[in-house]
Amino acid sequence: AQSVTQLDSQVPVFEEAPVELRCNYSSSVSVYLFWYVQYPNQGLQLLLKYLSGSTLVKGINGFEAEFNKSQTSFHLRKPSVHISDTAEYFCAVVIRNAGNMLTFGGGTRLMVKP
Amino acid sequence: ETGVTQTPRHLVMGMTNKKSLKCEQHLGHNAMYWYKQSAKKPLELMFVYNFKEQTENNSVPSRFSPECPNSSHLFLHLHTLQPEDSALYLCASSQVGTGQYYNEQFFGPGTRLTVL
Repeated sequence: AQSVTQLDSQVPVFEEAPVELRCNYSSSVSVYLFWYVQYPNQGLQLLLKYLSGSTLVKGINGFEAEFNKSQTSFHLRKPSVHISDTAEYFCAVVIRNAGNMLTFGGGTRLMVKP
Repeated sequence: ETGVTQTPRHLVMGMTNKKSLKCEQHLGHNAMYWYKQSAKKPLELMFVYNFKEQTENNSVPSRFSPECPNSSHLFLHLHTLQPEDSALYLCASSQVGTGQYYNEQFFGPGTRLTVL
């Protein structure tokens, strides 16, 4: 079975600073990888996804992530954060060619301070 | 209405009550999902419906009863819940079919449930 670990439950950062949210996964088969964002009192919104091809993927709101197969990681980065980026971020995986079942990590709360 | 909507947004109920959560998707999708989001726990998939047929029941207690009358509507019927069932319940939808290696799930805003 696959699993997803988000190493940091909370990440405080000052506005305009860079940020990295870490995600590691475990799976015996190939997976697709995703980052979702959840703003307060809202559902989940897809930030970006890795299905195949270039290991560096760009998403909405200036976020990007890099798939590293050898380290089984898919860390999310943004070079300069805004107050509006304050939210919960979830990493998730789906087993390739085996349906649509998302397995989520525990989430990382990004807190951007002025 | 666009996307995935859920009603009510907030619900407080006693352990002996019976209530229902409603989800509606306006995206023309053929698969719908219920997730449970508890504090300090990863999002948990509860049920999956493909083409109105339940294809996944992730060991959910029988006090949660899903219903999918058509591909646009999904209900979660609740009865004799426990305080530990208090959580945010999220609905999602996607399009599934042969030849598609992955189809994005679109989420609703959730129903915040409190069981007293």
